[in-house]
This record gives sequence, structure tokens and C-alpha cells, in this order.
Amino acid sequence: EDQVTQSPEALRLQEGESSSLNCSYTVSGLRGLFWYRQDPGKGPEFLFTLYSAGEEKEKERLKATLTKKESFLHITAPKPEDSATYLCAVQEIGGSQGNLIFGKGTKLSVKP
Amino acid sequence: GAGVSQTPSNKVTEKGKYVELRCDPISGHTALYWYRQSLGQGPEFLIYFQGTGAADDSGLPNDRFFAVRPEGSVSTLKIQRTERGDSAVYLCASSLTSNIGTTKGYTFGSGTRLTVV
Repeated sequence: EDQVTQSPEALRLQEGESSSLNCSYTVSGLRGLFWYRQDPGKGPEFLFTLYSAGEEKEKERLKATLTKKESFLHITAPKPEDSATYLCAVQEIGGSQGNLIFGKGTKLSVKP
Repeated sequence: GAGVSQTPSNKVTEKGKYVELRCDPISGHTALYWYRQSLGQGPEFLIYFQGTGAADDSGLPNDRFFAVRPEGSVSTLKIQRTERGDSAVYLCASSLTSNIGTTKGYTFGSGTRLTVV
């Protein structure tokens, strides 16, 4: 059973059409939840770390929120340059600080 | 350099051969991480170094995989007797410390695409 599940697998939006990506997790204790962006042929690029339910973080058109079982990445008025795969990862309490458990990602396409 | 450098960017090898993948982290970063990403999947943890020592190697799939970081900077991931199932993109990342990696994220390289034929 996957510990981190992301939905949808793929999302196509028109420029300016806001939406949300979902990340649900089932680890027993959460040390942190991470959002990364990955462009084709590149390594993931860090966006946010969230630690506790109710926490929110924002960066430009992106806002990440966290509950006890899931996180949302809200994209407001997206632009074509926001097209990428968005990866969610969790770090477990009791696990090493180097070990992130990633989901499979959501591939976002924004059309002009 | 300004970022994490991985060489080679692409490697094609025959089944059964030995390969080495190199990672040059950002200067001064003490924590270094290796992940593996198969097509359509998220990165999968392999091993993490704090300085010269492996702090967690629980993700190495079997004893054909080994990694070293002898001087606390450059790291090499070594794969013996390669199999077709080892084909993937091998990603290296670094952070100033492992604590900083948690709060401010890792900096990933672009990866080495390994193809075993």
C-alpha cells in the first residue's frame, strides 16, 4: 500500500483556471510534508515544507495547506510556465532525516 | 559550482557490467542524498550521507549497490552486475545540513539516466 498518494495523476488547465492538487498520506507520525516541482529532464525543485495541521505556505501563485491526513497545493490563475510535475513527499517521525517518501506526482499542463 | 552536478548525464551499459555514477554536491553541503526515479514514479530513497559516513543506507535494494563519500564532498554510487531492472534516473541531492534539508529542502541535480541493455 502506497504511503503517499497524489491525485489526479494528470491535470490540464486553461491559463487563469485555478485548481488544486491533492496529496494524501498514511504514515503513523509526520515529521514534515514537502512539495517539489519537477520539470522534464531535471531534478525536483523544492517549494514548501509543512509541519502541522492547519499550516499554510504561499509562493507566488501557489499555496500549500496541510490537514492530519492530506495536503493540497492550490494554484491560483496558473500560467503556462507553471506546467510541470508536482511531487509530494513525507518524512516520518522515527525515520532518518534523509529519507523522504515520495508520491508519484501530478503532471500539470497549463494551456495559453 | 552553483548547483549539484551529476556525471555522466546518460549511461548505457550491458547487463552484468559494473557502473559508477558521480555526484558533486554544492560546496559546503555536509548532507548528501541518493534517490532513484523510475519512469512515471516519484523518487525512491537509496542512501543518505552526513559528512563521510552513511547515516542511513536502508534504501539500497541489495548488496549490488554501494555508495561512498570518502572526503565528505564528492560521492560515487556503484552498481555491480547490473540488471535491466536497474534502469532508472539516479538523482543526487545535497543540503547544508540534514536539518536544513528538512526545513529548506534539498537541492537536486539533474540526474544520471542509466539504461541497462
